[in-house]
Amino acid sequence: GAGVSQTPSNKVTEKGKYVELRCDPISGHTALYWYRQSLGQGPEFLIYFQGTGAADDSGLPNDRFFAVRPEGSVSTLKIQRTERGDSAVYLCASSGRADTEAFFGQGTRLTVV
Amino acid sequence: GNSVTQMEGPVTLSEEAFLTINCTYTATGYPSLFWYVQYPGEGLQLLLKATKADDKGSNKGFEATYRKETTSFHLEKGSVQVSDSAVYFCALSDRVDTDKLIFGTGTRLQVFP
Repeated sequence: GAGVSQTPSNKVTEKGKYVELRCDPISGHTALYWYRQSLGQGPEFLIYFQGTGAADDSGLPNDRFFAVRPEGSVSTLKIQRTERGDSAVYLCASSGRADTEAFFGQGTRLTVV
Repeated sequence: GNSVTQMEGPVTLSEEAFLTINCTYTATGYPSLFWYVQYPGEGLQLLLKATKADDKGSNKGFEATYRKETTSFHLEKGSVQVSDSAVYFCALSDRVDTDKLIFGTGTRLQVFP
C-alpha cells in the first residue's frame, strides 16, 4: 500500500492478557516510530527504530511494553499483562530517514476491559 | 525537558473568520517546529513546519512563524472553511539524537457555515 498500515484497527482485550499490534511502514522507509495517544491528549513517543535496531526506547512506560522490527520493515508492539490504563490509540509512523517527514498510520484503538 | 503548550479548544468559528491557535514551546537548543492536523476518521498529517528561527511554514492557506524570542509557533489562517474542522497539534523535534516528536494536547477547531 501507499501509506502506513496498522492492524488491527480496533482491539478489545481483557485485563491481564497479551496483545500484539502490527505496523507496516511505507516501503523503503528506514525510520519507524511508535506513539500512544490517550483520550484528549497529544501523541506520546514510545520507541524509535532505525532499521532493525531500537535507537531510542526511552518512551516505553515499563517492561510490559516491547517492540521489535526483525527485518527492518514491519514492526510489532507487544504489551504483556495488559492493564486498563493501557487503553489508548497506538500510532505508528515512518520516514525515509530520521530527519525527513514522518507519515502516520490511522492507529490501533486498544481497549482493555 | 522539552514540552509544547497549545491553547485549549474547542475553537468555534464561522466560515471565513480569521483563525489563530496559539502554541508555545520549551526546548534546549534549536528544535524544529510542526503543525499536524487530524481530520475526522483520518490519521495525523503534517500541515506545515519550520526548522529555524524566523522561518515561516505555510500550506493550504495556513501559516506559522518560528519565533525564537517568544518561543512561539502560532497557527493562523485568514479565512477558514467548514472543511478545516479538525484537531490541530503543535509539535517539536529537538533533532539531537532522533526526530521523535513531542506534541501538544491538540486544539479542536469547529467551523460552521
